[in-house]
Amino acid sequence: AQKVTQAQTEISVVEKEDVTLDCVYETRDTTYYLFWYKQPPSGELVFLIRRNSFDEQNEISGRYSWNFQKSTSSFNFTITASQVVDSAVYFCALSGGAGYQKVTFGTGTKLQVIP
Amino acid sequence: DSGVTQTPKHLITATGQRVTLRCSPRSGDLSVYWYQQSLDQGLQFLIHYYNGEERAKGNILERFSAQQFPDLHSELNLSSLELGDSALYFCASSRTPSGFRQETQYFGPGTRLLVL
Repeated sequence: AQKVTQAQTEISVVEKEDVTLDCVYETRDTTYYLFWYKQPPSGELVFLIRRNSFDEQNEISGRYSWNFQKSTSSFNFTITASQVVDSAVYFCALSGGAGYQKVTFGTGTKLQVIP
Repeated sequence: DSGVTQTPKHLITATGQRVTLRCSPRSGDLSVYWYQQSLDQGLQFLIHYYNGEERAKGNILERFSAQQFPDLHSELNLSSLELGDSALYFCASSRTPSGFRQETQYFGPGTRLLVL
């Protein structure tokens, strides 16, 4: 069985602060994929990143960075110099097994960036 | 804009009724996935179709069914609706469920269903 835990339900930060959203996962698959999605107040889901289990290299995209650590089964997401437009619910997700397309989502972390 | 379209955007209906939600995948995508997002259950995977065939089932109720048509659009049918079926229903698409190379799923804007 797959499980994704996002222990932080809500986080509030002041604009320009850095913030890290935690994601811990459980899977028995040796091959799996991890994702982060953003859901702004408008409701749509926006894909942010996909990482496969064989690639532990951290990734940076502008103000966003991701830290994948297989040893601790974590895939944390950091926003640097947060902006009001970053306010959203962020979901971490896991998809396991070759050809297996079921995606398991965490419960989400609501981020509020205060101006 | 992800390229995935869903209709209608909003739907209000009564308990016991039946509704159909429609999804058109991104051009070239063969896989369609349905998800339900509710306050108490969070985001739940319902079902996956690939090129017209059912590939995986998640937490989909027996009152719900789906299909994918030859033109690759998909419909999710919800029947004998209950108050608890009120939720945001997302459709997502991906190129192909090719073995090792997990494809990213791109989500549509969702259909918000309210059962009164």
